[in-house]
Amino acid sequence: QKEVEQDPGPLSVPEGAIVSLNCTYSNSAFQYFMWYRQYSRKGPELLMYTYSSGNKEDGRFTAQVDKSSKYISLFIRDSQPSDSATYLCAMSEGGSYIPTFGRGTSLIVHP
Amino acid sequence: SAVISQKPSRDICQRGTSLTIQCQVDSQVTMMFWYRQQPGQSLTLIATANQGSEATYESGFVIDKFPISRPNLTFSTLTVSNMSPEDSSIYLCSVTGYRGDEQYFGPGTRLTVT
Repeated sequence: QKEVEQDPGPLSVPEGAIVSLNCTYSNSAFQYFMWYRQYSRKGPELLMYTYSSGNKEDGRFTAQVDKSSKYISLFIRDSQPSDSATYLCAMSEGGSYIPTFGRGTSLIVHP
Repeated sequence: SAVISQKPSRDICQRGTSLTIQCQVDSQVTMMFWYRQQPGQSLTLIATANQGSEATYESGFVIDKFPISRPNLTFSTLTVSNMSPEDSSIYLCSVTGYRGDEQYFGPGTRLTVT
């Protein structure tokens, strides 16, 4: 079993939909949780950074962490075609400098 | 966040040859990292490069195959040696942010080995 599991998709939604992207993990020592967005032929870009359980909101994006279930989510409201990208989750124990990445979910938002 | 550039952005190479990838950061950083990203796979850390010391390689990666240089606090190179088609991948360099565990990535080098 991999430490971080993420469905690769693709996930195809119409413009304006609410998107839910998810990751599960097995290492209970993970405390810091990140979401990256990667456009085609670009490097990953840090989108959200959260610590421990709870929600964090930034514009149309909400990151949610449920440590009891070892489950994290990224919600995108009012999705736009420009949101079409691969979204990677990542998590770390803290202090190690090196997060563990999921394989990424490909999201397609069609007009 | 740091601005990171990589050269080349892409290359097509013949098997048995070597390619050196350059990574330039716009600010001084202690640690730089090299990742490989294969299609449909998660990011795999190759090595951590600290200025003034030998790079630290992850399991499955060796210095003879992936020699790394780190001559100063803003620059690093990764060489992919004696390439085979299995080395076809995207190679990314990264640095850590102020929190210590989030990574900021360069645009990547897309390598195809024929």
